[in-house]
Amino acid sequence: EVQLLESGGGLVQPGGSLRLSCAASGFTFTGYAMSWVRQAPGKGLDWVAAISAGGGSIYYSDSVKGRFTISRDNSKKTLYLEMNGLRPEDTAIYYCAKDMVAAVAGEGGLDSWGQGTLVTVSS
Amino acid sequence: SYELTQPPSVSVSPGQTASITCSGDTLDNKYVCWYQQKPGQSPVLVIYQDTKRPSGIPERFSGSNSGNTATLTISGTQAMDEADYFCQSWDSSPKVFGGGTKLTVL
Repeated sequence: EVQLLESGGGLVQPGGSLRLSCAASGFTFTGYAMSWVRQAPGKGLDWVAAISAGGGSIYYSDSVKGRFTISRDNSKKTLYLEMNGLRPEDTAIYYCAKDMVAAVAGEGGLDSWGQGTLVTVSS
Repeated sequence: SYELTQPPSVSVSPGQTASITCSGDTLDNKYVCWYQQKPGQSPVLVIYQDTKRPSGIPERFSGSNSGNTATLTISGTQAMDEADYFCQSWDSSPKVFGGGTKLTVL
C-alpha cells in the first residue's frame, strides 16, 4: 500500500522559513516523479512544485519560484519542500503527491496523496 | 498562464447522470485528469489520460476530451459521489488545476 506522510507544517511569521518532509513507503520511490500541491482554506488545488524520479528535472509555479526549493533523497525515500520568504498567501494545507510516471510530464496524473500538513503564515 | 475553467457547482438527482465540464484552449491536445475530494479528505484520482480509470474506481466514472472541453461523467450517481471535483492538465507548467466543481446529489 502506498503511503505518503507529510510533516513540518506549523505557524510561521511572514518572511520566515519552513521545511516540509514527505516520507514515502509501499512503492519504488526511485521510479516516480513527485509533486507538492497546496490548498488554501476553502479554496481549490494549487500545484506548487514537481521533481522527476531521479531529481534531474525540477519545476515550480510562478508564485513560489525563487522562494521554494523542492528536493528528494532517494536513499531515504523522502521528498522535501524548503520554503523561504513565506507570505500570508502561502497559508494552506500542503500535500505531497506521487506521479504515475518517472518524468515530470503532462501525461502523468497524481495517483497517491498524503494527508497534508498545514502551513499558517501569520504575525 | 494556462487556465482551466469549471462550473462552480453541479446538482444531480440520485441515479441520474452528472456531467462536469472543464474548458481550456486546445484542451484536446493535452491529457486531462480528474480528482475527487470529499470534505476533510485528500484528493483521489478518478480519471487519467482523458478516459482511463485507476484501479478501484467504479465504472460509473468516465471521461472524455474533445475540442476545448473535457467532461467527467458519473452515471447512476450515488449519494457517496457528492464531493468537489477538480480537472487537471498541463501547459508550460506540468500540472494546472481547474477551479473545482462542487457536485451536490439531491
